[in-house]
Amino acid sequence: AQRVTQPEKLLSVFKGAPVELKCNYSYSGSPELFWYVQYSRQRLQLLLRHISRESIKGFTADLNKGETSFHLKKPFAQEEDSAMYYCALSINSGNTPLVFGKGTRLSVIA
Amino acid sequence: GAVVSQHPSWVICKSGTSVKIECRSLDFQATTMFWYRQFPKQSLMLMATSNEGSKATYEQGVEKDKFLINHASLTLSTLTVTSAHPEDSSFYICSARDEARSDEQYFGPGTRLTVT
Repeated sequence: AQRVTQPEKLLSVFKGAPVELKCNYSYSGSPELFWYVQYSRQRLQLLLRHISRESIKGFTADLNKGETSFHLKKPFAQEEDSAMYYCALSINSGNTPLVFGKGTRLSVIA
Repeated sequence: GAVVSQHPSWVICKSGTSVKIECRSLDFQATTMFWYRQFPKQSLMLMATSNEGSKATYEQGVEKDKFLINHASLTLSTLTVTSAHPEDSSFYICSARDEARSDEQYFGPGTRLTVT
């Protein structure tokens, strides 16, 4: 079965410091990986998907198939980045649901 | 972007009663919607996949007779919690897949259910 692991429940960094939110997955095939973000009192929203290879709000994530990782990175954290971040996996783009990690709460300290 | 709404946003009901939660895709059609449950400070747990015009697919451990799902149109899926118990109190979130936009999933704002 597919699994997504986010080892850190809480990550606190100072404003301007680099951020890396870890995500590892287990799936024998070629998954599609996503990062979702949930700001306080807002709905879950897509931040990144690996196939688009974009940088959103300064965040990037690279799929490393050898290490089965999809870590989320930002060189300089901002206070508005404080939120809950979920890594998710989909095994194909059909009607299969997302498998979510347990989430990491990022707290950026001024 | 695409919008998914849920109604109600919060509901309180008594033990033994049933409550219906609606999930609507407002500006796109969705043959597939998903229902998740989220406990406080925990991740989303998939409950079921709702398919328009056919039976829902439930995840292991989710009672299909307790959590009734109906996906009667391309823009509406409903989740009915039957004979609710306090342990059913949770945050229920739906998502809808927009097949016209690279299958991206859009999430509703969630419904908080409290069973007294």
